[in-house]
Amino acid sequence: GQNIDQPTEMTATEGAIVQINCTYQTSGFNGLFWYQQHAGEAPTFLSYNVLDGLEEKGRFSSFLSRSKGYSYLLLKELQMKDSASYLCAVRDSNYQLIWGAGTKLIIKP
Amino acid sequence: SQTIHQWPATLVQPVGSPLSLECTVEGTSNPNLYWYRQAAGRGLQLLFYSVGIGQISSEVPQNLSASRPQDRQFILSSKKLLLSDSGFYLCAWSVQGFEAGELFFGEGSRLTVL
Repeated sequence: GQNIDQPTEMTATEGAIVQINCTYQTSGFNGLFWYQQHAGEAPTFLSYNVLDGLEEKGRFSSFLSRSKGYSYLLLKELQMKDSASYLCAVRDSNYQLIWGAGTKLIIKP
Repeated sequence: SQTIHQWPATLVQPVGSPLSLECTVEGTSNPNLYWYRQAAGRGLQLLFYSVGIGQISSEVPQNLSASRPQDRQFILSSKKLLLSDSGFYLCAWSVQGFEAGELFFGEGSRLTVL
């Protein structure tokens, strides 16, 4: 079966750096997405990786290793507003998105 | 710019009652449209997707149905709700085609079935 694994919850301190990992086992691979979802709201797109390596976008970066079935989202200079769930999703060989359950990130002052 | 809206935002329905959630997209044409359900502690579950008017693909057998009467309108329905239908429902759109990028989500509809 297809599976996306990410930690259920993480805690970090304001101003620090946090890395959220995602491992996947899917039928084929056509890209990996990271979304941010604040409580009670819809997910919003953060990043997309289809080739190995690091994609940087401001305070957020996303890394992909296709051979390892692994990605991470790196958040720098954490702010209180970064408290949210972070969803990892992989597009499989049928171009369907397989979603992880999300990682709830708690930022403490 | 493109926008997506879905309604109602919140609803509480008794078991056995009907359901209708509506979603509309503005500022784009011929989008792919999706209905997802999100349960606590679980990943987004794709319920239906549509690549064109009247074209609906169902991913999960259930008592829900979807319709696309117009290019930018997507409706999720049920004739008789079950307790297990409670959840957060999300409509989304993406650019047509396999090279499609990210999904853009509506605000979500929280359904509680009592």
